[in-house]
Amino acid sequence: GNSVTQMEGPVTLSEEAFLTINCTYTATGYPSLFWYVQYPGEGLQLLLKATKADDKGSNKGFEATYRKETTSFHLEKGSVQVSDSAVYFCALTSIIQGAQKLVFGQGTRLTINP
Amino acid sequence: DTEVTQTPKHLVMGMTNKKSLKCEQHMGHRAMYWYKQKAKKPPELMFVYSYEKLSINESVPSRFSPECPNSSLLNLHLHALQPEDSALYLCASSQVTSVDTQYFGPGTRLTVL
Repeated sequence: GNSVTQMEGPVTLSEEAFLTINCTYTATGYPSLFWYVQYPGEGLQLLLKATKADDKGSNKGFEATYRKETTSFHLEKGSVQVSDSAVYFCALTSIIQGAQKLVFGQGTRLTINP
Repeated sequence: DTEVTQTPKHLVMGMTNKKSLKCEQHMGHRAMYWYKQKAKKPPELMFVYSYEKLSINESVPSRFSPECPNSSLLNLHLHALQPEDSALYLCASSQVTSVDTQYFGPGTRLTVL
């Protein structure tokens, strides 16, 4: 079945450091790929997405490129801020029984120190 | 407007109580979802409604009963829950294609005593 593997956390960085969170996937067909972010005590917010190979999603300084050849969708940011501290989930979608299903990675907890 | 609202924000209930969680969206989405999230884990899909019909039930115990009265509303009826059902319950909505984003509500924090 479809699955998503994220780098294990937690990840702790200093402000202005470069961030990479690795995400690889296994899927049949051509899924859409997403990064969601969850701040403490809140629901999930879409950070960025890509719907086909070589697409780059970007938002708030974060970027990820859909790499079909390496089945990856790594999240990057050039200079992180304290406010980026959150849990980040990589996910893919597929259509099952006529409905969309999101498959999540395990999540990566990111802490940014001032 | 990409807002999904959920009520209540917090709920404490005993194992013999009956309660309901409510979710609402006004984005014209035709798919709505219930997820359960335990601490430090990703959300786990429970139910999917597509065009107001139940499309996916991920083998959820019958003490959880979903209802979709119309395309904007989704309820989750709770009865005879167990302490291990304590979790954050998230609602989401989307269009019904694989490229469309699921928009999540803020969740209901449920504690079962």
